[in-house]
Amino acid sequence: GENVEQHPSTLSVQEGDSAVIKCTYSDSASNYFPWYKQELGKGPQLIIDIRSNVGEKKDQRIAVTLNKTAKHFSLHITETQPEDSAVYFCAASFNDYKLSFGAGTTVTVRA
Amino acid sequence: DAGVIQSPRHEVTEMGQEVTLRCKPISGHDYLFWYRQTMMRGLELLIYFNNNVPIDDSGMPEDRFSAKMPNASFSTLKIQPSEPRDSAVYFCASSFSNGELFFGEGSRLTVL
Repeated sequence: GENVEQHPSTLSVQEGDSAVIKCTYSDSASNYFPWYKQELGKGPQLIIDIRSNVGEKKDQRIAVTLNKTAKHFSLHITETQPEDSAVYFCAASFNDYKLSFGAGTTVTVRA
Repeated sequence: DAGVIQSPRHEVTEMGQEVTLRCKPISGHDYLFWYRQTMMRGLELLIYFNNNVPIDDSGMPEDRFSAKMPNASFSTLKIQPSEPRDSAVYFCASSFSNGELFFGEGSRLTVL
């Protein structure tokens, strides 16, 4: 089955700086790569996703890049704000449904 | 829509007791998923349904776990008998075909 590794496990950044989270996956058949944000006591919420026919996607301060050859994808958050503090999960799937999640990255934005 | 609704939000029970977790998906969504989240294993897919039919239950840990979806607006995840290692947050999620996955707020289970 698919194996997704996520790094780093924790990330502390100064407000206004950028944050980058990296994931690698094992199954070359995977073609859907979503990113979720989970706040304390809540369920994960989709923040951005990318499919294998696209190399990069951007939505305001967040962007995701995908390198299918190297089997890795990354989340970039620019101009971080305190409300960006949360746990972020990457995931990979070949059929949109059976998502394999990374272990998560706890992001802390220091004011 | 109110989103995916799960109950109970918190459950504390003793080993050996039966536990039933409930989920109401977003109206119109034809896929429903049950996930388990623990510190050690992260987010694991237990089972998912399409149009009320179980499609893949390969993530269900053992026979003590069972899930049903009697209609499009209701699903249950049952653990019988429960064990301390079942302690986790259980999430229900729903989606349209090829659509965004919407998670509920989870049911935190503690088995003593």
